[in-house]
Order: sequence, then structure tokens, then C-alpha cells
Amino acid sequence: GQQVMQIPQYQHVQEGEDFTTYCNSSTTLSNIQWYKQRPGGHPVFLIQLVKSGEVKKQKRLTFQFGEAKKNSSLHITATQTTDVGTYFCAGPGDQFYFGTGTSLTVIP
Amino acid sequence: EADIYQTPRYLVIGTGKKITLECSQTMGHDKMYWYQQDPGMELHLIHYSYGVNSTEKGDLSSESTVSRIRTEHFPLTLESARPSHTSQYLCASRHPHGKGGYTFGSGTRLTVV
Repeated sequence: GQQVMQIPQYQHVQEGEDFTTYCNSSTTLSNIQWYKQRPGGHPVFLIQLVKSGEVKKQKRLTFQFGEAKKNSSLHITATQTTDVGTYFCAGPGDQFYFGTGTSLTVIP
Repeated sequence: EADIYQTPRYLVIGTGKKITLECSQTMGHDKMYWYQQDPGMELHLIHYSYGVNSTEKGDLSSESTVSRIRTEHFPLTLESARPSHTSQYLCASRHPHGKGGYTFGSGTRLTVV
């Protein structure tokens, strides 16, 4: 099936540092979604990007969809301990295909 | 806040037992899904449904079955549990017109001993 790859797999940052995770697909995506999963929790939908080159912001989170609609990124500015968790991108289909996830650890 | 409910939250069961994991949603979503996820790992699609009497297998064959007799209910059954089935099982649903993301339940953490 369709696959989306995420890098890095793990990221440790000092609190206050920025963080970015990247999602890549070999095929053009009609849209892409991002989810956050806290340790021990379940994935929670963050956002959906649809348009080529789209940029959306949610407070300290910035989401981008590539011009070719084959890649996307999530950038967190000035991380906080509440940002800890795994961030997944998901590519579309009748059933979304989740990326491998990036696990973020924030060191106080 | 969840409109999708999974029971039980935790389950420890012996090898060879038959178990059913329950999932119900109150949002009227036609599309429902079951995912398997090991701790800290990616989600693997097990089964999905587009509506009543519609069920399909996902990429991960987990020797399980599902049914969709009512819109709101999508149970997952393991006919004979094995230790390799030890994992977290997440149920999700989605708006019928594909708008917005999945809503996930809190999951069932299954341990087969």
C-alpha cells in the first residue's frame, strides 16, 4: 500500500529549542494529516493540509505542505514539556496510511 | 471528550481464548477502523468498514474478524489469542465525507499470556 516515511525517528531537544519532523511520500498526495500521540495515549488529530505550498499555524506549531505535494513538515518553535509525544503524518486514501512517527523528548 | 469508546481498557488473557474488543461511536460516522500499535511504534491497519455490512481487511493480517451490524458499533474478535497478539488496539472513525481527521478511542491494551 501507499507509504509515507518520516524522519527523524527520534528527537531529543532542550526545552526552548525548536523541533522539526519531516514526512515524505514517493507519490503525490491529495492531502496530508498530522496527529500527536502523548505517551500512553491515543493519536489526536492536529490538522489537514490540502493545497500545494500550504502553510498553517497553530500557536507554536507550523505545518507545511510541499509544492509538489510529496512532502510535509511540522515545526515547533520553542518547545515545551507539554510537546512531548510522537507526531505522525498520515497520507490519504479510503484508509489513511500513517507514517512511522517521530518521537519527541523535551529535556527540561 | 471522546465520542468513540473502547472497552475493555486493559485485558490480560490466556493463550487460545476467544476475545472481543468493543468499539462504539456516537458521531454517526460511516467509516470505522481498527489499528494495532506496539508501544512507540507505527500504526498498522487491521480492518476497516465503510458502513453497515461493509468490512475489509487492512495490511496487517492479525487473524481477527470484525462485524458492522450497526453504524455505531464495530467490534473486533480474536478467535484464538496468542502471545504475538499482545499489543494496543485502537479503534477510529471518520466523518463520512472525508472532512477532518480520524477520531481515535482510548485503545485496548491486550496482553496474552
